Amino acid sequence: DAGVIQSPRHEVTEMGQEVTLRCKPISGHNSLFWYRQTMMRGLELLIYFNNNVPIDDSGMPEDRFSAKMPNASFSTLKIQPSEPRDSAVYFCASSGTGGFTEAFFGQGTRLTVV
Amino acid sequence: GENVEQHPSTLSVQEGDSAVIKCTYSDSASNYFPWYKQELGKRPQLIIDIRSNVGEKKDQRIAVTLNKTAKHFSLHITETQPEDSAVYFCAARDSGNTPLVFGKGTRLSVIA
Repeated sequence: DAGVIQSPRHEVTEMGQEVTLRCKPISGHNSLFWYRQTMMRGLELLIYFNNNVPIDDSGMPEDRFSAKMPNASFSTLKIQPSEPRDSAVYFCASSGTGGFTEAFFGQGTRLTVV
Repeated sequence: GENVEQHPSTLSVQEGDSAVIKCTYSDSASNYFPWYKQELGKRPQLIIDIRSNVGEKKDQRIAVTLNKTAKHFSLHITETQPEDSAVYFCAARDSGNTPLVFGKGTRLSVIA
């Protein structure tokens, strides 16, 4: 398995533009997590899905952020409109069923909003 | 919800010395405690984990200890090497498909 795959790896966009980050979880994993990493706040959970259903989106900072998981092999995180303070590394992670299961991270998307 | 505190935020050790990173958690329902290592510009990767029915676990130069009563768990790295330099994150979660809650990370520098 290729692991969790995220795209793009790097994104530079202008303030006000829409940004879409993509994630393909490991096949067979039924939980998917979106994290944001910054120096100040560390790894913050934005939203997670179980069996394609959003369970908790309380970490989504504002209504400008939205996430979808239309099927078991694909998820998107969208920011519209983007702002400079959204600049961060966004990680997608997936894990299998059961409590003692490792979460595998994708390579991350480094977003820069100018 | 769960809250994980991690200390210290930075740690410098001489090559060959030991390094210890400590974490506390708040939710007594948590029973899975992984440690991730993140090298510069890379993704976090699991290095070791411990479950609530185990007090200690060792894997070569790395060991983790868990005190459920005190809600503490620690990472111990012995005989540190320059390639151990990275940011280390502790995390906690309860059983089921709940997300990991991470500590803020410890930047470990091993000085040759």
